[in-house]
Amino acid sequence: EDQVTQSPEALRLQEGESSSLNCSYTVSGLRGLFWYRQDPGKGPEFLFTLYSAGEEKEKERLKATLTKKESFLHITAPKPEDSATYLCAGGSGGYQKVTFGTGTKLQVIP
Amino acid sequence: NAGVTQTPKFQVLKTGQSMTLQCAQDMNHEYMSWYRQDPGMGLRLIHYSVGAGITDQGEVPNGYNVSRSTTEDFPLRLLSAAPSQTSVYFCASSRQGPNQPQHFGDGTRLSIL
Repeated sequence: EDQVTQSPEALRLQEGESSSLNCSYTVSGLRGLFWYRQDPGKGPEFLFTLYSAGEEKEKERLKATLTKKESFLHITAPKPEDSATYLCAGGSGGYQKVTFGTGTKLQVIP
Repeated sequence: NAGVTQTPKFQVLKTGQSMTLQCAQDMNHEYMSWYRQDPGMGLRLIHYSVGAGITDQGEVPNGYNVSRSTTEDFPLRLLSAAPSQTSVYFCASSRQGPNQPQHFGDGTRLSIL
């Protein structure tokens, strides 16, 4: 059974304090590792797709990386507007589905 | 460009009632899906569709029906509501499948009393 585990569940950072969110996965025939951002009362918003180990993608203060077992979302010098829940999801090779983690709730304090 | 639109945003039902959650997308996406999101659990797939006239079950389909008569619309029907179906429901779409970026609606918050 495919599994995606995110840690920590919650993270509180001071503005400017860099950190990383972890996503461990066991997904058969991984077709893509996805990161989404979810604001309260809203649906998830797509951030990145990573396809193979060693791949990296960046967007503003966010950088996502992928190994064969984990993905990291690095947040550099975060701002309060980066506060959100970040979801990780793994797409499997066969079945038409992705498996979502439970998310990391990030709070950035001014 | 509205993206994915879900209605209603909030709904309260009594046990045993039926209702339809509406989902529409204006991006001409072939793939559409319904998820439920519960505290402490990841998004779980209820049903999905790879195109008009084609639907299939996800991991938690019991108690729900779907149909896809047009590319744009993908309604989710609760046949006889139960308290265990209290959740936030999200509809999503992508060009061809779940292994492409999915666009989500803002959800329907459903309470079953």
